[in-house]
Amino acid sequence: AQSVTQLDSQVPVFEEAPVELRCNYSSSVSVYLFWYVQYPNQGLQLLLKYLSGSTLVESINGFEAEFNKSQTSFHLRKPSVHISDTAEYFCAVSDFNSGTYKYIFGTGTRLKVLA
Amino acid sequence: DTGVSQNPRHKITKRGQNVTFRCDPISEHNRLYWYRQTLGQGPEFLTYFQNEAQLEKSRLLSDRFSAERPKGSFSTLEIQRTEQGDSAMYLCASSSGLAVSEQFFGPGTRLTVL
Repeated sequence: AQSVTQLDSQVPVFEEAPVELRCNYSSSVSVYLFWYVQYPNQGLQLLLKYLSGSTLVESINGFEAEFNKSQTSFHLRKPSVHISDTAEYFCAVSDFNSGTYKYIFGTGTRLKVLA
Repeated sequence: DTGVSQNPRHKITKRGQNVTFRCDPISEHNRLYWYRQTLGQGPEFLTYFQNEAQLEKSRLLSDRFSAERPKGSFSTLEIQRTEQGDSAMYLCASSSGLAVSEQFFGPGTRLTVL
C-alpha cells in the first residue's frame, strides 16, 4: 500500500532563510503528488501539485517542489521564508489505483519561521 | 460559491452519545471524501462518494460510523455510541469528476468526546 513519509515533524528557520521540507512516498508507479498547507485554526489549502509534465512545480507565493521519480521524493522548497509561512505542511499522494483518487497524507511538518 | 462548508465546527459530547456532522461540497463537485485527523497526524481517509454512491470505506470506519450522501449533494457522517478515541478533526473534501483533480477541503468539525 502507498505510504508517505515526512521525516521532519518540526522545522524552525529564521526569516529570509531558505527551507526544505522533505517528502518521500513508497511506490514508484505513476502518482499524483500534492502539498497542502494548514494555517492555525484553518482548513487545508492546496499549495501546489504535480500531475504530469514538468517535474518542477511552483506556487504563487514562492514555494516550489520537484518530483523525483528515482528517489520517490517530492520535497518542498522556498528560497526565502516569511513569518507568514509559519504553518503545518502536508504532503499527499493520490492513490488512483482504486479509482477513488483518495489521498494518502504524511504526518505533516510544522514550519516555524523565527524573526 | 464559498467552497466546502462543514457544520458544526465544534462538537463536544459525552461518551456513548450519537453525533452527526454535515458537509456541503462545492456545488458542481460529484466526488466527496471524509477524512479524520488526530493530533500530530496527517488526515486519514475514511470514505468516498461518487455522487450518491458510497464506493469505498476505510477499515478505520467501524460499524459505529455511517455516512450518507442523499441525492449526491450534501453528506452526513454519523458516529453512534461515541468513544473517547473518536475525538478528532473530521474533514470533508470534494473534487470534480475529472480523472485527476485536486480536492478542496472544508474547515473541519472538531469532535471532543468526554
